[in-house]
Amino acid sequence: AQSVTQLDSQVPVFEEAPVELRCNYSSSVSVYLFWYVQYPNQGLQLLLKYLSGSTLVKGINGFEAEFNKSQTSFHLRKPSVHISDTAEYFCAVRKGGSQGNLIFGKGTKLSVKP
Amino acid sequence: GAVVSQHPSWVICKSGTSVKIECRSLDFQATTMFWYRQFPKQSLMLMATSNEGSKATYEQGVEKDKFLINHASLTLSTLTVTSAHPEDSSFYICSARAGTDSYNSPLHFGNGTRLTVT
Repeated sequence: AQSVTQLDSQVPVFEEAPVELRCNYSSSVSVYLFWYVQYPNQGLQLLLKYLSGSTLVKGINGFEAEFNKSQTSFHLRKPSVHISDTAEYFCAVRKGGSQGNLIFGKGTKLSVKP
Repeated sequence: GAVVSQHPSWVICKSGTSVKIECRSLDFQATTMFWYRQFPKQSLMLMATSNEGSKATYEQGVEKDKFLINHASLTLSTLTVTSAHPEDSSFYICSARAGTDSYNSPLHFGNGTRLTVT
């Protein structure tokens, strides 16, 4: 069975500082991994995804993530955050052998302070 | 880009009444739609998967008679919360899959519906 663990429920950081949001997954098969951002009372917006190929994936808003198979991780990074990056971030794995729905981690609340 | 419209964005209803939430794919056909539920400060939990023209598949623990899902066309799925109770208050989000490849077809999310049952 696949699962996703986001180790940090909250990450406070100052504006223009770098940030890393951690995500680990467990799966016995090939995985497709995703990061989504959710602003208050809104749906999910796709930041980036890893399906295959290069392990370093670049997404929108300056975010990137690196797929590390040996460590079963897919951490999200941004070298310099903005106040507007304050949101909830969800890591997800696509469930294989089904209709393709996503299994989400519990989310990480990123709070960017001035 | 592909757009999923979810309506209403928020609704308040009295206990015992029913509420219908619509999920529409505006510029693509969605053979499969997913309904998620999100409690405050928690992750999204899949409630059910609906395929156009067939019965929805519910996740374990989700009451199919309480959460009625209809996917009558390739662009519309509805979730009806019947005889709502305060514990049904939550944020409901739909997602539509563009394409039939369960691995490669992208999922597009609606903006969610905030349901409050008084």
